Amino acid sequence: EAGVVQSPRYKIIEKKQPVAFWCNPISGHNTLYWYLQNLGQGPELLIRYENEEAVDDSQLPKDRFSAERLKGVDSTLKIQPAELGDSAVYLCASSNAPYNEQFFGPGTRLTVL
Amino acid sequence: RKEVEQDPGPFNVPEGATVAFNCTYSNSASQSFFWYRQDCRKEPKLLMSVYSSGNEDGRFTAQLNRASQYISLLIRDSKLSDSATYLCAVNLRSKLSFGAGTTVTVRA
Repeated sequence: EAGVVQSPRYKIIEKKQPVAFWCNPISGHNTLYWYLQNLGQGPELLIRYENEEAVDDSQLPKDRFSAERLKGVDSTLKIQPAELGDSAVYLCASSNAPYNEQFFGPGTRLTVL
Repeated sequence: RKEVEQDPGPFNVPEGATVAFNCTYSNSASQSFFWYRQDCRKEPKLLMSVYSSGNEDGRFTAQLNRASQYISLLIRDSKLSDSATYLCAVNLRSKLSFGAGTTVTVRA
C-alpha cells in the first residue's frame, strides 16, 4: 500500500514569493494533517481536515497561509508571501480516524532566502 | 508549561545495552499516546501506540502512567540501527501534540 505522498521534496525560494505544497494521503484515510517542523523540535499542527472540512485551523497563520482539500482526498498548502522564518519542513500526515495513528509523508523542506 | 516534554538527551549507549526515557504530558484528559522514531532528515515513523496496560514489540516496551502523566519507552539489547530521535505524541481531542524528541545514539 502506498504511503503519504508529498511534493516537492525540496523548495528554495526568495522571500515574498509564493510557494505551494501538495499532499496525497493514504487511500481511505479521511483525516489529513499539515504540520510544520523546525530543526530540533517536534512537528506542530497547522491544520486538520476531516474529509473536505478544515476542523482545526487554529494554528494556521491565516494572513499568509492557506490550505484546501477540495475533494476530500489530496490537499494543497500555500504560503503567500513567504518570509525568512517560514524555512522549515512541512509534513503531511493522514489517519483513518482522528484518534488513531497518524502516518507521515516525507515532507517538503522549504528554504526561504 | 509545554503540553509534551521530553529529555532531549542525547543518550549514548553501547550496543546491547538497555536504554529508557520518559515523556511527560500536561493535560490529564489526553486520550491516546504514541512513540515515533525519526531519523535525520526523514519523516517521523510510527514505532508504537501506547496502551493503558503497556505494550511490548520485540525489544521495545512502552508504558503509560496516567497518575503521574508520563509515558516511557524502553529499548532492550540496543542495536546500532536504533540510533535515532524518538518523539512522543499525545492525542487530546483529536489534536496530536509532539515532544521535541529524545536523541539516542548506540555505539559499537
